[in-house]
Amino acid sequence: KAGVTQTPRYLIKTRGQQVTLSCSPISGHRSVSWYQQTPGQGLQFLFEYFSETQRNKGNFPGRFSGRQFSNSRSEMNVSTLELGDSALYLCASSKGTGAGYTFGSGTRLTVV
Amino acid sequence: GENVEQHPSTLSVQEGDSAVIKCTYSDSASNYFPWYKQELGKRPQLIIDIRSNVGEKKDQRIAVTLNKTAKHFSLHITETQPEDSAVYFCAASMADSWGKFQFGAGTQVVVTP
Repeated sequence: KAGVTQTPRYLIKTRGQQVTLSCSPISGHRSVSWYQQTPGQGLQFLFEYFSETQRNKGNFPGRFSGRQFSNSRSEMNVSTLELGDSALYLCASSKGTGAGYTFGSGTRLTVV
Repeated sequence: GENVEQHPSTLSVQEGDSAVIKCTYSDSASNYFPWYKQELGKRPQLIIDIRSNVGEKKDQRIAVTLNKTAKHFSLHITETQPEDSAVYFCAASMADSWGKFQFGAGTQVVVTP
């Protein structure tokens, strides 16, 4: 059974650019959550999608957005990149309420 | 919103000894408490979880206890082995926001042979 797949694994972008990250959940999982991991702030919740609907959103600026497609794959977008956006972005998937979440290996974003 | 505090930040144990990590949460509405293990350069892996209707759960050398009154939960690792060395994160979420975890800051566990 394939795990949660995130692409790309590594990205280097310049300040002011935008970036799109992709997450393919485990087959049958309809919930996808996104987290930002940094050494200083730890793991911070970005947003959660279930059946193409955003159910929860964290305390990040509007430059961070996401969506989920009918096949449960999810994307997150960051516009007007800042140096502070450099982080490991993790997504996790689950069957839904009551089930545990499995994380992907993440996308390492470096903003220069 | 929910706030999760985790202690200690680092923990060094001799192989074979036990390790205990403690977390406290602020929102009494939280009802799901997973623990994740993250080895260097790897993804967080769910190692055990507990729901608010259960006081204790065990899985081989790992156990989690929950005290709803005091709003704290703990991870217990017995007979530690070098492969237990990793960063451990506790987290909390609520039924109406299941996929929204508030994570603790993490505990770096080092098991020395």
